[in-house]
Amino acid sequence: GAVVSQHPSRVICKSGTSVKIECRSLDFQATTMFWYRQFPKQSLMLMATSNEGSKATYEQGVEKDKFLINHASLTLSTLTVTSAHPEDSSFYICSARASGGAWGKKETQYFGPGTRLLVL
Amino acid sequence: GESVGLHLPTLSVQEGDNSIINCAYSNSASDYFIWYKQESGKGPQFIIDIRSNMDKRQGQRVTVLLNKTVKHLSLQIAATQPGDSAVYFCAETIFNAGNMLTFGGGTRLMVKP
Repeated sequence: GAVVSQHPSRVICKSGTSVKIECRSLDFQATTMFWYRQFPKQSLMLMATSNEGSKATYEQGVEKDKFLINHASLTLSTLTVTSAHPEDSSFYICSARASGGAWGKKETQYFGPGTRLLVL
Repeated sequence: GESVGLHLPTLSVQEGDNSIINCAYSNSASDYFIWYKQESGKGPQFIIDIRSNMDKRQGQRVTVLLNKTVKHLSLQIAATQPGDSAVYFCAETIFNAGNMLTFGGGTRLMVKP
């Protein structure tokens, strides 16, 4: 099936540093990628929608200057958590929506394995 | 949507039994639904989907039932195995409208050996 990878899988950083998370669609092209965060025992919360070649669309309450998103190609989107603080510690998950073709339905999102961020 | 501050409901079943996980969706205009499985520390994994022109769809050991009248979706897992233990989320959207998925709160399935 459609494979989405994330890197790194786990990161621990000091407060005030910036962390970049990569999301790649490995075997399909994704014009749209999504970034979610998930707190323990909760559902996924959409942070932003990333479209290739254009600015990301952020959900209400998500600071665009805090969470920088770049969708440079049809297979790569990056999320940079700038000046991370302990409250940014969370599980960040990306997903990619296929542009069509063999992976079929446009609405089906394929998720990456997630990135666990711990800010000390 | 998200279940802020709430614990996930848990369904505990014996290995070999059938499991039924339920989901109530919110938007009557939604016509495309997906079930995802999320294991601890991993991203959600696509299980099965269904469009609103169907009321039942079967996969390998899984069946999704859709009742549009009461906006209810269920996932049935036959002969539940320990590897089925995970959190299951339903998601809704409007097909081909380019809308984002809206996720339900999730249900934790625990399979007892």
